Amino acid sequence: DTAVSQTPKYLVTQMGNDKSIKCEQNLGHDTMYWYKQDSKKFLKIMFSYNNKELIINETVPNRFSPKSPDKAHLNLHINSLELGDSAVYFCASSHPYREANSPLHFGNGTRLTVT
Amino acid sequence: AQTVTQSQPEMSVQEAETVTLSCTYDTSESDYYLFWYKQPPSRQMILVIRQEAYKQQNATENRFSVNFQKAAKSFSLKISDSQLGDAAMYFCAYRAPYTGTASKLTFGTGTRLQVTL
Repeated sequence: DTAVSQTPKYLVTQMGNDKSIKCEQNLGHDTMYWYKQDSKKFLKIMFSYNNKELIINETVPNRFSPKSPDKAHLNLHINSLELGDSAVYFCASSHPYREANSPLHFGNGTRLTVT
Repeated sequence: AQTVTQSQPEMSVQEAETVTLSCTYDTSESDYYLFWYKQPPSRQMILVIRQEAYKQQNATENRFSVNFQKAAKSFSLKISDSQLGDAAMYFCAYRAPYTGTASKLTFGTGTRLQVTL
């Protein structure tokens, strides 16, 4: 009965590689997000999609490319991984973004380690 | 840009006691939404409580309550009868209302709460 599920939970890879993180939600939400949590626990939004349409695109390197095949899925692809990309990446979903009082429901995070 | 400040990097409370975590924010909006999230060692982000700025009444959820001071732009979280399971990072978050473009949920830097016996 997992609401927002991310895979994999852990990802260890070498610099220069390309990797993807998958996210799926079964809450029927229209809006999905990617957040990055750095080593100091600071959470920062990266992207948001509403019903497959990009609505928030923060200043992130273009090596990061989100893809939303449908409103229940939001994947994150990272090219040419760098040491500084090591972090925990959280996927989240919510009711339509116009309902700004709607809380975000988070996945359990993916810990990415780049060596 | 909206900013959220949590001035207490770490707090400690004894089991069964009460603790208050501080949060202030900066905004020019008159209506907005505030949240507290909990992140235990399991890493999961869990919603604790939320407050809508137009509501004067402070939100409560069981042992968790807030002290929302709109003029002071302060949104503190009070945890009563603290339990060992309350040990976690607590994040305050702010979200502006929808005014034609999507608003983002902005987090503070977090407060790590320890609960001791």
